[in-house]
Amino acid sequence: DTEVTQTPKHLVMGMTNKKSLKCEQHMGHRAMYWYKQKAKKPPELMFVYSYEKLSINESVPSRFSPECPNSSLLNLHLHALQPEDSALYLCASSQVVPEQGNSPLHFGNGTRLTVT
Amino acid sequence: GENVEQHPSTLSVQEGDSAVIKCTYSDSASNYFPWYKQELGKGPQLIIDIRSNVGEKKDQRIAVTLNKTAKHFSLHITETQPEDSAVYFCAARANSGYALNFGKGTSLLVTP
Repeated sequence: DTEVTQTPKHLVMGMTNKKSLKCEQHMGHRAMYWYKQKAKKPPELMFVYSYEKLSINESVPSRFSPECPNSSLLNLHLHALQPEDSALYLCASSQVVPEQGNSPLHFGNGTRLTVT
Repeated sequence: GENVEQHPSTLSVQEGDSAVIKCTYSDSASNYFPWYKQELGKGPQLIIDIRSNVGEKKDQRIAVTLNKTAKHFSLHITETQPEDSAVYFCAARANSGYALNFGKGTSLLVTP
């Protein structure tokens, strides 16, 4: 079992809906990440939070809005998505923040999002 | 920026055989090279990683080798088992960069 928990596992939403993806880790990691993964492709970085502050935004459209309420939680708020946003959304965490060095990424099992 | 090439894209081996997946990277400043295994319906899971001050690392049936001069690193799986079937991603990162750069993945199938 992964130590990074993501909910929900599956989500179907219309283009006018607002929904949120949630991620939780209790490993004391100081960096948390959102990745997007399309079928048969590697994960693509969307956002990085270091010490609960947004440190990296990979030019993600504003219809995706991240939030880090505390050091264990990470949310991704979704609004007015497009069908091409359908993908697996992965949360990850690392002990060391990327600005300070390298440490393994621990991924959750993702939320499978379908936008209709 | 960093570019990571991974080969082959698909690999089929018989149970008990060895499997080798190769990656090359472009940024000579890269110093951290993890390998991830992604099973169907799950997130990527770290299986082994290597840092640039080490040439080889082993963990039971899995080994990774790094050639800094040639800028390539490889994953070796010995005595493969059907449960090794998955997509494997290599990745590279430098301390100065912020993103982990993934290869495109190798779909490994181990047939009994």
